[in-house]
Amino acid sequence: QVHLQESGPGVVKPSQTLSLTCTVSGDSISSGTSYWSWVRQPAGKGLEWIGRIYASGNTNYNPSLKSRLTILVDTSKNQFSLRLNSLTAADTAIYYCARVGLRPPWLYDSWGQGTLVTVSS
Amino acid sequence: QSALTQPPSVSGAPGQRVTISCTGSSSNVGAGYEVHWYQRLPGTAPKVLIYGDTNRPSGVSDRFSGSKSGTSASLAISGLQAEDEADYFCQSYDSSLSGEVFGTGTEVTVL
Repeated sequence: QVHLQESGPGVVKPSQTLSLTCTVSGDSISSGTSYWSWVRQPAGKGLEWIGRIYASGNTNYNPSLKSRLTILVDTSKNQFSLRLNSLTAADTAIYYCARVGLRPPWLYDSWGQGTLVTVSS
Repeated sequence: QSALTQPPSVSGAPGQRVTISCTGSSSNVGAGYEVHWYQRLPGTAPKVLIYGDTNRPSGVSDRFSGSKSGTSASLAISGLQAEDEADYFCQSYDSSLSGEVFGTGTEVTVL
């Protein structure tokens, strides 16, 4: 059974860069049978798709975050990561990593438990 | 930011049937992209309840059912039980975003 675990700082200062890592077990990122996504949920709001990465390293980003966002994959460690710069209070949210299967399309079949990130000085 | 609209909360007595709507637009649900539903219990990772509009994964109770028509989808929970108290959200793909879009989430309360 696949397991995903987010890790990273719980508090980041405004204008700084957030770095989160998702460690995958029970599946190999390099298998190419899925892609890997980041999603976030600010308090009191709905979930927002952040972006995705394929085993090849190809990425797709939410246009609203694209200028500040980088998603990378490290197949040797079976991890993928998120870097979001120029943080503001609006980036305070629970951040989830997830596996997205190819069939059926766009199905988030496994999720991490989420990690709360607070942007505060 | 496009999102799928859900009621913030629904409630029902044990044994009752409740439904949760998920309203999208012509760039997501109305375009024919499949809708998936998830359940999130407090402090746990979301779990797939319904995939591909109407399909249940193995292990999911048949008390949960999904439907879709036009730009909207619905999740029905029949025979409501205390263990069904959770957050539920829908999800699809949006062609204008070129990415996934999620529902605003619905909290289910068993009275």
